[in-house]
Amino acid sequence: DGGITQSPKYLFRKEGQNVTLSCEQNLNHDAMYWYRQDPGQGLRLIYYSQIVNDFQKGDIAEGYSVSREKKESFPLTVTSAQKNPTAFYLCASSVYRGVSYEQYFGPGTRLTVT
Amino acid sequence: AQSVAQPEDQVNVAEGNPLTVKCTYSVSGNPYLFWYVQYPNRGLQFLLKYITGDNLVKGSYGFEAEFNKSQTSFHLKKPSALVSDSALYFCAVRDESSGNTGKLIFGQGTTLQVKP
Repeated sequence: DGGITQSPKYLFRKEGQNVTLSCEQNLNHDAMYWYRQDPGQGLRLIYYSQIVNDFQKGDIAEGYSVSREKKESFPLTVTSAQKNPTAFYLCASSVYRGVSYEQYFGPGTRLTVT
Repeated sequence: AQSVAQPEDQVNVAEGNPLTVKCTYSVSGNPYLFWYVQYPNRGLQFLLKYITGDNLVKGSYGFEAEFNKSQTSFHLKKPSALVSDSALYFCAVRDESSGNTGKLIFGQGTTLQVKP
């Protein structure tokens, strides 16, 4: 999982509570990404950021928020507005290598909301 | 629209036999293609990529992939499967519509089961 850390590995929350997932990278990568993984649905992009203080919505941004105040950090907040937040969340980062971006992934956080 | 398809939810193979995990893609320009592997409750690990050059790309752990432009395919292969290769495999293509953001479009994933 390289130089990307996600914490905690498992997270439990009650419905109606906001929760923030941590993602830190020491790879000096410019771009960072958040994905959600559900069984049988592959990876879906939530938010991504190419530079500090800038980020864009992905395919399923509703109910989520992010910040990018430092190059190394890209925390994801799952708000109470997210209707089905229980999932495996993956953070990734990438650097421009030649003519292509390769994404490197963290170990993931499994969020369970009851 | 750009897309990636992995037509098999699961592939079963006996240890020592060759394995193939299929991937087809649809893009308007030249494809940048990737394969990743995921072990249970872990993040994705990069295996290999095709950008340009030789159609046969070699990657980590003895895996290789063959780019076929006419069939728009990028199948993952390994000559001799190991039980430890059992995992979830994802094919991905660079999202051209997003400019140079580095966004990837992932397939649904294929579970590889290698039996002793």
